[in-house]
Amino acid sequence: SAVISQKPSRDICQRGTSLTIQCQVDSQVTMMFWYRQQPGQSLTLIATANQGSEATYESGFVIDKFPISRPNLTFSTLTVSNMSPEDSSIYLCSVGQGSPAETQYFGPGTRLLVL
Amino acid sequence: SQQGEEDPQALSIQEGENATMNCSYKTSINNLQWYRQNSGRGLVHLILIRSNEREKHSGRLRVTLDTSKKSSSLLITASRAADTASYFCALDRGSTLGRLYFGRGTQLTVWP
Repeated sequence: SAVISQKPSRDICQRGTSLTIQCQVDSQVTMMFWYRQQPGQSLTLIATANQGSEATYESGFVIDKFPISRPNLTFSTLTVSNMSPEDSSIYLCSVGQGSPAETQYFGPGTRLLVL
Repeated sequence: SQQGEEDPQALSIQEGENATMNCSYKTSINNLQWYRQNSGRGLVHLILIRSNEREKHSGRLRVTLDTSKKSSSLLITASRAADTASYFCALDRGSTLGRLYFGRGTQLTVWP
């Protein structure tokens, strides 16, 4: 199984600022996913980030607000731009595993509080 | 709704008892998966059951799937305090490789 780390683990930010979250995997993976989980809620997929192509965003999420980079097969970043208190959530990255990549392994998450 | 719905939302039991959680859904699926999340941390994959399977076991976990009723259940036998977590079902609808649809989860509390 893949080991995934995220930085930062938590942060408190002021509204209007931006935060970049890093996701590092200990092995090469094709498929990476970024989720948002608001308190007590389920996971909402923000986008799928496959290396070598533009990220695919889900309905309700746009690149200007959540730009994603995927420079190689072990690393990705998600930026939360122009933050508001509504962006306070846990942000999780995950990677597809298996052949086909049916299951997902998750990072520990980034807890974001926007004041 | 594209995601599963877990029932109950919360479950509280004593150590040694069995815990049963259910997931109902409305769409066709390729497979259904269960994940565990401890205290807002990352999710851990527990088990995957395919649409042509009816039951799977993994250690103290037993998962059933009834595609005619569009429902699945997760049974944890002989629960331990360490099983305290949120449990999510995730649907693989087979439309996009790797794309999963997560439910809201069941919060399980196991008291020592």
